Amino acid sequence: AQSVTQLGSHVSVSEGALVLLRCNYSSSVPPYLFWYVQYPNQGLQLLLKYTTGATLVKGINGFEAEFKKSETSFHLTKPSAHMSDAAEYFCANTGANSKLTFGKGITLSVRP
Amino acid sequence: EAGVAQSPRYKIIEKRQSVAFWCNPISGHATLYWYQQILGQGPKLLIQFQNNGVVDDSQLPKDRFSAERLKGVDSTLKIQPAKLEDSAVYLCASSRGLAGPPGHNEQFFGPGTRLTVL
Repeated sequence: AQSVTQLGSHVSVSEGALVLLRCNYSSSVPPYLFWYVQYPNQGLQLLLKYTTGATLVKGINGFEAEFKKSETSFHLTKPSAHMSDAAEYFCANTGANSKLTFGKGITLSVRP
Repeated sequence: EAGVAQSPRYKIIEKRQSVAFWCNPISGHATLYWYQQILGQGPKLLIQFQNNGVVDDSQLPKDRFSAERLKGVDSTLKIQPAKLEDSAVYLCASSRGLAGPPGHNEQFFGPGTRLTVL
């Protein structure tokens, strides 16, 4: 069975600071991992995904994530936060059945 | 290309009433998903269609929830009768299909319908 854990519910950073959102996964098969972003009153948008190959994955809006099998982690980072990054972020994984399992999400706030 | 459309955007009902949500996926997308997102939680898959057939409805509370995709395009999700714990955002998503490795086909999400049950 697949699952993801996102510790904490809220992260606050200053504009221009590093963004780090943590995600750990559990999977009985090689995982396929995703980060989605949800802006207020909108649906989810795919930021990036890891399927196979390169473990450092680059996504939209300057975000990237690194798959670390030894740590069962897929943390999301951005070198410099922008006010427009304020949103809710979800980590998800899927197994052989292509069914997405989401974490509970983390709200990112960006201070001026 | 137009995105996934959902209506209504907001709905308030009394408990024990019925409610229906509508979803129009991206043109040409064979796979359609309905998710329930309770406040403070991530989306949970309720049902997955491939064309007009059900692929997975293992987490759909079938005593009160039903969904259909009769012509393999639009879909409706119904709750009858509603309970307080059904208050949530109901998200519809679509993807091109299920071919290829897991996650190969990106799911595109609609804006959701926010349901409040009083």
